[in-house]
Amino acid sequence: ETGVTQTPRHLVMGMTNKKSLKCEQHLGHNAMYWYKQSAKKPLELMFVYNFKEQTENNSVPSRFSPECPNSSHLFLHLHTLQPEDSALYLCASSQDLAGQETQYFGPGTRLLVL
Amino acid sequence: KNQVEQSPQSLIILEGKNCTLQCNYTVSPFSNLRWYKQDTGRGPVSLTIMTFSENTKSNGRYTATLDADTKQSSLHITASQLSDSASYICVVSKPGGAQKLVFGQGTRLTINP
Repeated sequence: ETGVTQTPRHLVMGMTNKKSLKCEQHLGHNAMYWYKQSAKKPLELMFVYNFKEQTENNSVPSRFSPECPNSSHLFLHLHTLQPEDSALYLCASSQDLAGQETQYFGPGTRLLVL
Repeated sequence: KNQVEQSPQSLIILEGKNCTLQCNYTVSPFSNLRWYKQDTGRGPVSLTIMTFSENTKSNGRYTATLDADTKQSSLHITASQLSDSASYICVVSKPGGAQKLVFGQGTRLTINP
């Protein structure tokens, strides 16, 4: 295992539901990330946190709301999602934001929006 | 435009055979290039990382090459095993931090017995 855990592993929700994805890293890292992975498309960076502070928001719709209460935990709150938001959501962490730092990924949450 | 293109999109080979995956990029400026392996149902795991001055890097049966002049990289897998079945993702980093990554769409490799 990579030291990054995500729950739930699978999620089915309606467009009017509110749900949250959880990520936890046990590596002592300072930076955490949310990515979206759609079929046959490159990973898309959504949010970056460094020392609990958000440093990047890649024009993500407001129906996705991140929360980072401490350096070990990262949440992605979901509300009024669209079917096109169905994808694999990956959390990752790295020691810091330096370009040569390896990112360690969790197993992802497979999300289906009906 | 900063892009990373991988080929082929998918590849099927027999166990024990060798294969080579390609990655072409237009990312500039360049900091480093990394290959990730993503097993089904798991997140990507880093295999190799190469900076501008490195032209080859090995990790067991995986050997990555980099030609920074032509902006091409390859990942060669020797004596393939069933466990090599996965998606392989090429990622190019620009200077400025880990958030400056450009991902390829991946090559889906299937090893058949």
